[in-house]
Amino acid sequence: AQSVSQHNHHVILSEAASLELGCNYSYGGTVNLFWYVQYPGQHLQLLLKYFSGDPLVKGIKGFEAEFIKSKFSFNLRKPSVQWSDTAEYFCAVNAPDDYKLSFGAGTTVTVRA
Amino acid sequence: DTAVSQTPKYLVTQMGNDKSIKCEQNLGHDTMYWYKQDSKKFLKIMFSYNNKELIINETVPNRFSPKSPDKAHLNLHINSLELGDSAVYFCASSLGLPSYEQYFGPGTRLTVT
Repeated sequence: AQSVSQHNHHVILSEAASLELGCNYSYGGTVNLFWYVQYPGQHLQLLLKYFSGDPLVKGIKGFEAEFIKSKFSFNLRKPSVQWSDTAEYFCAVNAPDDYKLSFGAGTTVTVRA
Repeated sequence: DTAVSQTPKYLVTQMGNDKSIKCEQNLGHDTMYWYKQDSKKFLKIMFSYNNKELIINETVPNRFSPKSPDKAHLNLHINSLELGDSAVYFCASSLGLPSYEQYFGPGTRLTVT
């Protein structure tokens, strides 16, 4: 089974600052990788996903993530955050033939205006 | 139109009661899931059905019983509710392969007093 580690529990930054959230997983084989976002009081929404191909993936709302296979990492980035990016961010992993999606513990991002 | 809907949104009940949460998706997806999100926002898979067949059954007390009457519905029945069952329960659905993203419902906040 896979496990997912998100390094930052709570990140606080000002508008226009750059954001990087770490995600590492433990699984030796091929994986599908996802970043989900949960805005306050809302359901989880997909930001981006990686299955294969270009390891730099672009998602919605200006987010991108880079898959580094040698580091078992899939870090999320945004060059300039807005107040509306305040949310909980979850990294998730599954094996290509496994419906079970393993989530990290989440990172709370607070953007101050 | 809401893609994945859950009822009720809030559920407050006393210990020992039996309650059900309903989930419906209108996306034509084959696979549906139940997740539990605890007070620390950690998300854990509980059950999954694919075409009405149970495919994931995590280590969950047998007081929890999922039922899928058809592909578009997945209900969760909980017997003899305990304080520790207080959490937010999310339903999700996806197309029939593990690599497809999961679409989440708005969640049901269950409070057991």
